Amino acid sequence: DARVTQTPRHKVTEMGQEVTMRCQPILGHNTVFWYRQTMMQGLELLAYFRNRAPLDDSGMPKDRFSAEMPDATLATLKIQPSEPRDSAVYFCASGPDGGYNEQFFGPGTRLTVL
Amino acid sequence: RKEVEQDPGPFNVPEGATVAFNCTYSNSASQSFFWYRQDCRKEPKLLMSVYSSGNEDGRFTAQLNRASQYISLLIRDSKLSDSATYLCVVNQLLYSSASKIIFGSGTRLSIRP
Repeated sequence: DARVTQTPRHKVTEMGQEVTMRCQPILGHNTVFWYRQTMMQGLELLAYFRNRAPLDDSGMPKDRFSAEMPDATLATLKIQPSEPRDSAVYFCASGPDGGYNEQFFGPGTRLTVL
Repeated sequence: RKEVEQDPGPFNVPEGATVAFNCTYSNSASQSFFWYRQDCRKEPKLLMSVYSSGNEDGRFTAQLNRASQYISLLIRDSKLSDSATYLCVVNQLLYSSASKIIFGSGTRLSIRP
């Protein structure tokens, strides 16, 4: 049963600290997405990659956020420095055909920045 | 105005009832449409794609109205297990290699015994 995995599942950190979230997409999927979900804003697309190349990161605050795919089995989202307003659930999703159809979501990383 | 809008609800209906909700989108260039379901503190999961001709999957029917720019989801004979948040998703093909993917903020549905 292929699934998207994310680590860590929960993270509590203090303002100013660096946070790195990791995602392993489903093997064979060529598109990876990063989303942030809060009660106020709902689900927001931060960035996405196709064949490891960034296609759109317009939803991501560039000054503190960065997203990379070092290889086809790993995507990372980094926040440096973190701020309390970054507290949210961060979801990674992957898709098999360019993101045009179904996306399979990971369980999310629940981030709390104190 | 948001690009994709949903009534946040909550819709509170008795078991066995039929319930429907809509999702409107602002960009007429939108290409593909989906309904996702999200349970509390869980990840979203695809419920069904929405095709131009409308489509049905068991108790669920999805429809697309391009002229009025909305999609709808109808749930018949609702079950307690249908209680969840329903998210609509709109994809806009920007150019040959990229899509703009927008999730609605979700409609909460609560089925009571």
